[in-house]
Amino acid sequence: RKEVEQDPGPFNVPEGATVAFNCTYSNSASQSFFWYRQDCRKEPKLLMSVYSSGNEDGRFTAQLNRASQYISLLIRDSKLSDSATYLCVVKENTGFQKLVFGTGTRLLVSP
Amino acid sequence: NAGVTQTPKFRVLKTGQSMTLLCAQDMNHEYMYWYRQDPGMGLRLIHYSVGEGTTAKGEVPDGYNVSRLKKQNFLLGLESAAPSQTSVYFCASGDEPANIQYFGAGTRLSVL
Repeated sequence: RKEVEQDPGPFNVPEGATVAFNCTYSNSASQSFFWYRQDCRKEPKLLMSVYSSGNEDGRFTAQLNRASQYISLLIRDSKLSDSATYLCVVKENTGFQKLVFGTGTRLLVSP
Repeated sequence: NAGVTQTPKFRVLKTGQSMTLLCAQDMNHEYMYWYRQDPGMGLRLIHYSVGEGTTAKGEVPDGYNVSRLKKQNFLLGLESAAPSQTSVYFCASGDEPANIQYFGAGTRLSVL
């Protein structure tokens, strides 16, 4: 089983739609969680950290469910500029603390 | 603010050739990382450094060497390139282990 699993998509949605992605992680001892955004042929950039109580940043809402070991990202009122790949990232402590990256979920927002 | 700068951006090598990828960061970060990204796979850690003069192996270190002689620079070397090393290479830096990381723009390497 992969350490971090995501549906690769693509998710095709119209502008203005609400879309949600889930991500599951295998290590129950994982400590911190993040969503990164990666545009086509560009580097990953931090979108937001994910806190235990859930957190919101504008149109983006992240949730963490430790019992079920999944993380979600909700995007409201999708914009064309939201088209990208969203990477779920988990911090693990296996001797050296490291980030484990999911393969990403691709989002395509159309006019 | 340049952040993390990688050179070169693109490179084509023949099997057996060697090359060095340079990563430079201007954020005074202690931690630096080299990843590779391949289709259908997440970013995989090749080597990392927890400070000037230190290096350590990540998940996929075979065929690569690194050096961190100065805090701001982290070099990734391929001594004898193989087609399996065709990939996109990203350098990243951060001020805490396994916390928010800032990435360079990447190096696209093809080994023929």
